Amino acid sequence: DTGVSQDPRHKITKRGQNVTFRCDPISEHNRLYWYRQTLGQGPEFLTYFQNEAQLEKSRLLSDRFSAERPKGSFSTLEIQRTEQGDSAMYLCASSLIPGQAYGEKLFFGSGTQLSVL
Amino acid sequence: AQRVTQPEKLLSVFKGAPVELKCNYSYSGSPELFWYVQYSRQRLQLLLRHISRESIKGFTADLNKGETSFHLKKPFAQEEDSAMYYCALRGLGGSYIPTFGRGTSLIVHP
Repeated sequence: DTGVSQDPRHKITKRGQNVTFRCDPISEHNRLYWYRQTLGQGPEFLTYFQNEAQLEKSRLLSDRFSAERPKGSFSTLEIQRTEQGDSAMYLCASSLIPGQAYGEKLFFGSGTQLSVL
Repeated sequence: AQRVTQPEKLLSVFKGAPVELKCNYSYSGSPELFWYVQYSRQRLQLLLRHISRESIKGFTADLNKGETSFHLKKPFAQEEDSAMYYCALRGLGGSYIPTFGRGTSLIVHP
């Protein structure tokens, strides 16, 4: 499968624990996004990278969230001191875009379902 | 700020009936609009984008800047069209980050 892959598919953790998710984008894609989705809502933007540079973070994103994309390849999203409100589906998407070209097409992974007990 | 509104959480129709999934947006600049679809147990995927002016699986969508809408239409619904549909906006000249609506669940009954 050459699509976007995310690991793990499911994560159950206790409140206060740290969790880390991984996303492997399509290999030649230079842009990588993290979104969060809760029941009945659409994907909500968290942060994105262009190559290895993190260009924007949502203003709603708590300081407990951090993301990296070393060498512009895979990315990790870490949540420290998890809270029950962090329970959600975390989606990764990648795209290939030169500059600000039109028609950016996002390719999504299957997501990581986080449950905080 | 950019915002996407999908007023219907659920749309239920019978096979062969016309379908229109509504999408309204708010953005002061020039927008790009997209429809994404998620079939049961599959990942979210692009259905169509306004710049392509394409018809995919019989679906079309026209960007109406006057009404700030990008409604998705299909003249004759099929059972396999049952899915979650998300409208998305990307603001050109702004952050370029795609913003999604909350989605509309389309159920097509036999």
